[in-house]
Amino acid sequence: QVQLVESGGGLVKPGGSLRLSCAASGFTFSDHYMSWVRQAPGKGLEWLSYISYSGSIISYADSVKGRFSISRDNAKNSLYLQMNNLRAEDTAIYYCAADRREGEWLGLWHWGQGTLVSVSS
Amino acid sequence: EIVLTQSPLFLPVTPGEPATISCTSSQSLLYSNGHNYLDWYLQKPGKPPQVLIYLNSNRASGVPDRFRGSGSGTDFTLKISRVEAEDVGVYYCMQSLQTPRTFGQGTRVEF
Repeated sequence: QVQLVESGGGLVKPGGSLRLSCAASGFTFSDHYMSWVRQAPGKGLEWLSYISYSGSIISYADSVKGRFSISRDNAKNSLYLQMNNLRAEDTAIYYCAADRREGEWLGLWHWGQGTLVSVSS
Repeated sequence: EIVLTQSPLFLPVTPGEPATISCTSSQSLLYSNGHNYLDWYLQKPGKPPQVLIYLNSNRASGVPDRFRGSGSGTDFTLKISRVEAEDVGVYYCMQSLQTPRTFGQGTRVEF
């Protein structure tokens, strides 16, 4: 079955860095765009970034542009989010989600369980 | 950036009764291929979101047919024909026509 498992969250001080990972299984990872979405405590969903099949196309939300970097390793079926210069407002659960395939949009059709990032001194 | 506005933000429901959530976009979500790039997601308590409806009116795999998405352009609706206990949670619309993709504020559905 399809699985997305995030890891790498934790407590970090303002200005610090974290690298999140998302391990994918149960589908052809390299055929799909992948996205990161976050949810601050008690708040709604915020789309952060996506990356295309090969990594050649990347897009970011303005709130993280220049601080966060998305990448993928198709050989390892893994998605990453490098987060630098973290701020208190980055505190959230971070979800990875399986995204579009060539010529096909099914929504963000599968989500991981999320990993919690807390930014505090 | 496209802004999505949902209403209501809180929806008390009765089991077996219908329920309707609206999502209004600041720009048309209709693409030249005829599809409206508007999806609906449900986040059940303590769980990650799950897609219910994609491209305005297509039910995702395994989604019961009591869920129906409709609309076009800037005005969209999610209807539940008969609410069941498992339908409680927060419903979000999301547009994927442009980046950044954006979500509505969410509508909390509770008994």
